[in-house]
Formats: sequence, structure tokens, C-alpha cells
Amino acid sequence: EDQVTQSPEALRLQEGESSSLNCSYTVSGLRGLFWYRQDPGKGPEFLFTLYSAGEEKEKERLKATLTKKESFLHITAPKPEDSATYLCAVQARSSASKIIFGSGTRLSIRP
Amino acid sequence: EAQVTQNPRYLITVTGKKLTVTCSQNMNHEYMSWYRQDPGLGLRQIYYSMNVEVTDKGDVPEGYKVSRKEKRNFPLILESPSPNQTSLYFCASRPIPPGQGSNEQFFGPGTRLTVL
Repeated sequence: EDQVTQSPEALRLQEGESSSLNCSYTVSGLRGLFWYRQDPGKGPEFLFTLYSAGEEKEKERLKATLTKKESFLHITAPKPEDSATYLCAVQARSSASKIIFGSGTRLSIRP
Repeated sequence: EAQVTQNPRYLITVTGKKLTVTCSQNMNHEYMSWYRQDPGLGLRQIYYSMNVEVTDKGDVPEGYKVSRKEKRNFPLILESPSPNQTSLYFCASRPIPPGQGSNEQFFGPGTRLTVL
């Protein structure tokens, strides 16, 4: 069964303290892995798509990486405005439309 | 401004009273989808539509209906709501069907539904 597991559930960091969020996945052939950011009371906002192991994408203080079993979202020198829930999702090659989401990591950055 | 809109944003109703949550996008996207979000379960897909008059079930379609008569609109219908449908609902759209290129889905602001 296709599955996405994110860890940790919650993470509290000091401003400037770099860390990583993990997304482990089990899927029968990966078509794509996606990262979204969700602020309280809002819909998810797209960040990255990764397609194959070894691929990396960057946006400001965020960098997403992909291996055959997991993805990491690295946050470098975070600021309070990076506080949000970060969602990971995967799409299997066998499905043209089904996207499976993890339950997210709630990130808090203290000033 | 390119956006996905949902109405209402908040709704409290009673068991068995039919309701419709509207979703509209102004980006001429072919693909639209409905999700529900529950604590600890993440986003789960209810229904999706690849284009006008083309809809299909997601992971949790029981108790829901959808229609796609126009490209921009994709309403979610609960014929007889029950308390287990209390949840946060999101509509999303994207310019090309999943499986082709980026999966940049655009999400609406959400509808918080409570069924008593």
C-alpha cells in the first residue's frame, strides 16, 4: 500500500538554528514527490516537485532533496516567518491522478 | 488575481440536511479536486475531475457527490451529512492533469464544516 510518513510531528527551533524535516514514502514506482507549506487557516501552498533520486530544489532558506526511500526538507538559518506546517505528498507511476499526503510537520521558529 | 475560491468558509449544520460547498477557479485549469483534512490523517482526496463532465472517486468518496458542468466550477455536495463528515475541506486546481510535469496545485482557503 502506498504510504507517506512525516517526522517529526512538531519541531521547535530557535531563529537561525538549521534543521531538517523528513518524509519517508512507500510507493510502487514514484512519479513525483511534492512539498507544500500550510499556514494556519489557509490552504496549502506549493513549494517543490522532485522526480528522481539525487534531485535537489532550493527556494530561499529551503532545500528539498530526494532519495529512493525518503525526502528531506532542509531549513537553513530559519526566521519566525518560516513557522508553518510542511506537507509532503507523493504520486505513484501507476496513478494518473491520485496524490497521497503525509500528515505534516508543524514547525515553530522562536525569535 | 489567480485564485481558487470556496463558499461558505464556515458552516454548521445538522445531520441529514443537504448542503453544497462551492468551488470556483479563474485560471482555466482542467483538473480540480476536493480534499478533506483531519488531525493526524493529513489531506485525503474525496473526488477529482480531469475536465468538464469527467469526474472520479478519490480515497474517501462515501457520502459525497460532485459535478463538473463548467470548467471553472466544481461543487461538493453532501446529500445527507453525518457527524463523521465534520472536517476542513479544501478545493484545489491545476493546469494539467497529474502525471504530466509539475504538480503545482492551487488550493482554496478551506471550508470548515461542522455536522451536529
